[in-house]
Amino acid sequence: QSALTQEASVSGTVGQKVTLSCTGDSNNVGSYAVGWYQQISHGAPRTVMLGTSLPSGIPDRFSGSKSGTTASLTISGLQPEDEADYYCSTWDYSLSAYVFGPGTKVTVL
Amino acid sequence: EVQLVESGGVLVQPGGSLRLSCAASGFSVSTNYMSWVRQAPGKGLEWVSVIYSGGTTYYADSVKGRFTISRDNSKNTLYLQMSSLRAEDTAVYYCARDKGLVVASWGRGTLVTVVS
Repeated sequence: QSALTQEASVSGTVGQKVTLSCTGDSNNVGSYAVGWYQQISHGAPRTVMLGTSLPSGIPDRFSGSKSGTTASLTISGLQPEDEADYYCSTWDYSLSAYVFGPGTKVTVL
Repeated sequence: EVQLVESGGVLVQPGGSLRLSCAASGFSVSTNYMSWVRQAPGKGLEWVSVIYSGGTTYYADSVKGRFTISRDNSKNTLYLQMSSLRAEDTAVYYCARDKGLVVASWGRGTLVTVVS
């Protein structure tokens, strides 16, 4: 069982705004930056958010935020190429380990 | 440009050993936090190990005592020595460069299959 929880699936139409959440506790999300990773068809993951910073080359329709022990990834203006699995991850102080969420499958209707 | 290229993944028998390599370019492994992350077939991402720039290492409980992370600064290469391999270690292993305790860059992965 993961230390982080994510929605199993989220869907939206082209152009819609969708928000994914990643919930942990004070040992992980509440204390450290959260990374968000996109994985299309089980290819290599790609980092789409470093905390609340957008990596170079990632479209600015992706944005990140955090409130307490929940981090969020928002895709404003969903595109067909955004259909993928999205994972969150952060450091966990009590485990002395990185922890990953189980992933959210984003479907573009 | 940051590049990470993994190699060494093969088919191995249970109880066997294997060393994975990750050749880095565009940055220095010695001054960055470097991780290994794996993904079993049909499953999610699972963190395996990290080595800090100062040399401190951490491991997932599932591999502690069996896997060893290391680096060769002269070759700018990260390694993962794997021993006492089990069927559940079967996965694609990704090399990753961390930034602020978050994975910033990923390699393309190398497949390790443990089967008798």
